[in-house]
Amino acid sequence: KAGVTQTPRYLIKTRGQQVTLSCSPISGHRSVSWYQQTPGQGLQFLFEYFSETQRNKGNFPGRFSGRQFSNSRSEMNVSTLELGDSALYLCASSKPGTGPYNEQFFGPGTRLTVL
Amino acid sequence: DQQVKQNSPSLSVQEGRISILNCDYTNSMFDYFLWYKKYPAEGPTFLISISSIKDKNEDGRFTVFLNKSAKHLSLHIVPSQPGDSAVYFCAATQDTYSGAGSYQLTFGKGTKLSVIP
Repeated sequence: KAGVTQTPRYLIKTRGQQVTLSCSPISGHRSVSWYQQTPGQGLQFLFEYFSETQRNKGNFPGRFSGRQFSNSRSEMNVSTLELGDSALYLCASSKPGTGPYNEQFFGPGTRLTVL
Repeated sequence: DQQVKQNSPSLSVQEGRISILNCDYTNSMFDYFLWYKKYPAEGPTFLISISSIKDKNEDGRFTVFLNKSAKHLSLHIVPSQPGDSAVYFCAATQDTYSGAGSYQLTFGKGTKLSVIP
């Protein structure tokens, strides 16, 4: 079974630009979550999508947005990039089950560097 | 304010000995706790979890202990192996949409474990 895939793996942008990252969940998984990992803040929750709807949102400015398509693939977009947006962006997918807690499977991440 | 804290950024242990990784949390609404392991250039991998109704969960060499009154959990690895060398993240969550499988994870900053052969 293929895991969570993220593209691109590495990205270099300059301040003020915008960027779109892509995530393909594991087949059958309908929930996709995004996290930002930085050395200073660790892993922080950005948002979660399920059936093309955003269900949860973390404490990030409106420059961070996302969407989910009917095939469960998800994209996140960051506009007007700042130096502090340099981070590893991780996507995780999970399969709705019978209980409230379902294991999240993480992709390898996209390393974004803002110059 | 950090709701999940891993106060030890790194830990070194001899192969074959016990590794104990600690985690503290402040949010009393958290009712499910997880440990993830992360190798460089890879995403985190789920290791073990525990519900707040339990105080211990065991899976092979890995055991997680939860002390709700102290808002503290720990991960024990016995015996430690060189392949266990990685960054370990503690995470916590609460049921947001009951039964619908939706939750957001709040992570600690991680502890880098080095197992010395």
